[in-house]
Parts: sequence; C-alpha cells; structure tokens
Amino acid sequence: DVKVTQSSRYLVKRTGEKVFLECVQDMDHENMFWYRQDPGLGLRLIYFSYDVKMKEKGDIPEGYSVSREKKERFSLILESASTNQTSMYLCASSFSGAQDTGELFFGEGSRLTVL
Amino acid sequence: AQSVTQLGSHVSVSEGALVLLRCNYSSSVPPYLFWYVQYPNQGLQLLLKYTSAATLVKGINGFEAEFKKSETSFHLTKPSAHMSDAAEYFCAVSDNQAGTALIFGKGTTLSVSS
Repeated sequence: DVKVTQSSRYLVKRTGEKVFLECVQDMDHENMFWYRQDPGLGLRLIYFSYDVKMKEKGDIPEGYSVSREKKERFSLILESASTNQTSMYLCASSFSGAQDTGELFFGEGSRLTVL
Repeated sequence: AQSVTQLGSHVSVSEGALVLLRCNYSSSVPPYLFWYVQYPNQGLQLLLKYTSAATLVKGINGFEAEFKKSETSFHLTKPSAHMSDAAEYFCAVSDNQAGTALIFGKGTTLSVSS
C-alpha cells in the first residue's frame, strides 16, 4: 500500500514562529502536493513539486515556502506563522506522466493552531 | 477554466436510505471527474473516477456515479446508507487526468442516523 506520512498530526505554535511540516512518501512518486483544508472552503493547493528541487505555486502560496531535497520528502515551511494560517494541512503524492491517473494519495493531515 | 460545485454542504440520511451527493462541473474540454472521501481524522482517498470509458462508474463501498454531459453533472449515489459512510465527500475535476490539475469542490459532509 502507498503510504504518505506526515510527521506531526497536531501542532500548536505562536505567532511569528517558523514552522516546518514534513511529509514522506514511500511509492517513488514524482509529484508531491501541499493542500490547506478549511471548513466550507474545501481543499486549496498551496504548492506542488514534480521533481526534486522543482516546485510550482498553487492557488494560495502567499506566506508559505516548500523544499524538496529528496524525492520522497516534501516540506512545507511557514516562515513567520500567523493566526490566519491555523488550519489542516494535507500532503499528497502521485505518479507523473503516463502513470498519472489523477489519483492522489493523501497523508492523514497536520492540524496546525497558531496562537 | 474548470470549476466544480457541490450542492449542499451537509446531507443527512437515515441508515438504509438512498445517498445522493450532487456535483456539477464546468469545463471547456471533456473532463476527468473524481470523487474522494475523507473519513474522520484521516486523509482523502479515491472513491471512484470517470475517464470517458463508461458513463456509469462504480467505486468502492457500493458507491457509484453517473456522468451526464447534458447536465454537466457527476452525482454520487449509494442505494442504502450505512453508518460507516458518514464522512466528507469531495468532487474534483481535471482536464487532463493529471493529478497536478485537479480542482476540488468545497465538500459535502454526509451524516447517517440510525
């Protein structure tokens, strides 16, 4: 089975802190994604990466950055956390090219609270 | 540009009743359509997908969805709800079957009462 692991299920941080959310997948997927999930707003794409060191902005990249130094790991970084970044963060991965069927494999989510 | 609208943010049914979750899409090209499910405290998982092979698509756990081009709809149904179906359901659309192009709807929470 594909496994996407998000290192922290629950985090509480203070305004202005730097926050790292880590995600690891074990299926050798080329594509990795970070989404933000808020009630009534569904899933919004923050960033995705289609290869090591490659990244593309999604719909709401402001206030976030990402890092992909290894194929299996994709990190989301909040340089200076703010209260409006309190949310559920979902990591996902998928194949690319001819193997891409549109199916994303999701982690269980990281619920971040910024005080 | 594609978009997807899920009608009804919350649907409540009794156990054994028909489940109908509505999804309408907007796409300038033949779409690829997906339903994902999120059980409490879990990530999303694929329920079913339409990729033009057949208009009626069967998924896991007894769910199915029918693609109706004339109505630009892809509604999700299950003949008889089970308590374990309580979850949030997301419809998604893509114009090229690529995971990098998925646009998600806002989600519908399904509640099932005994």
